[in-house]
Amino acid sequence: AQKITQTQPGMFVQEKEAVTLDCTYDTSDQSYGLFWYKQPSSGEMIFLIYQGSYDEQNATEGRYSLNFQKARKSANLVISASQLGDSAMYFCAMRDGGSQGNLIFGKGTKLSVKP
Amino acid sequence: DGGITQSPKYLFRKEGQNVTLSCEQNLNHDAMYWYRQDPGQGLRLIYYSQIVNDFQKGDIAEGYSVSREKKESFPLTVTSAQKNPTAFYLCATTRNRGFTDTQYFGPGTRLTVL
Repeated sequence: AQKITQTQPGMFVQEKEAVTLDCTYDTSDQSYGLFWYKQPSSGEMIFLIYQGSYDEQNATEGRYSLNFQKARKSANLVISASQLGDSAMYFCAMRDGGSQGNLIFGKGTKLSVKP
Repeated sequence: DGGITQSPKYLFRKEGQNVTLSCEQNLNHDAMYWYRQDPGQGLRLIYYSQIVNDFQKGDIAEGYSVSREKKESFPLTVTSAQKNPTAFYLCATTRNRGFTDTQYFGPGTRLTVL
């Protein structure tokens, strides 16, 4: 069965430093997509970055990059130069053929950026 | 202005009442979804719809109902059969249901049962 695991319930990072949020996934499909979302205290889910299973390069979007290690089934989010506004919940999610097109979410990591 | 709107932002319900949460989109996306989020938890899928007049149950559909009469609209009714409806409800859309398609979310409705 498809599964997303985020093992860090909470993380702290100093402002301007980089931080890595862990995500491992389980799927038997060869074709799948991995997504990261940010959820600030307001509640809205904000899409950050996408990585496809066939993408040879790691995805990057501004200060966000995805460290994709296919053999280890990990898709860690790296945030460079952390800002106070990065404090939020972060969710890793996956979609594959077996999930009927639906996203499967991890339980999230709460990131707190310290000034 | 393109996007997904949900209303109301906050909703209070007395026990035994049905309430309807609104979700509207002008992105021309085919697929729409409803999720429930409990404090400190991830998202759980309630219902989804791929096309107008068609919808399927997700993982926690009991006590909920939906309709999809228009492409733009996917309202969720929380019925009195839902034993613990206090939660944050998020609506989402995707252009279609391929594994590369990004899912976009509305701002959410926070439902509290009094």
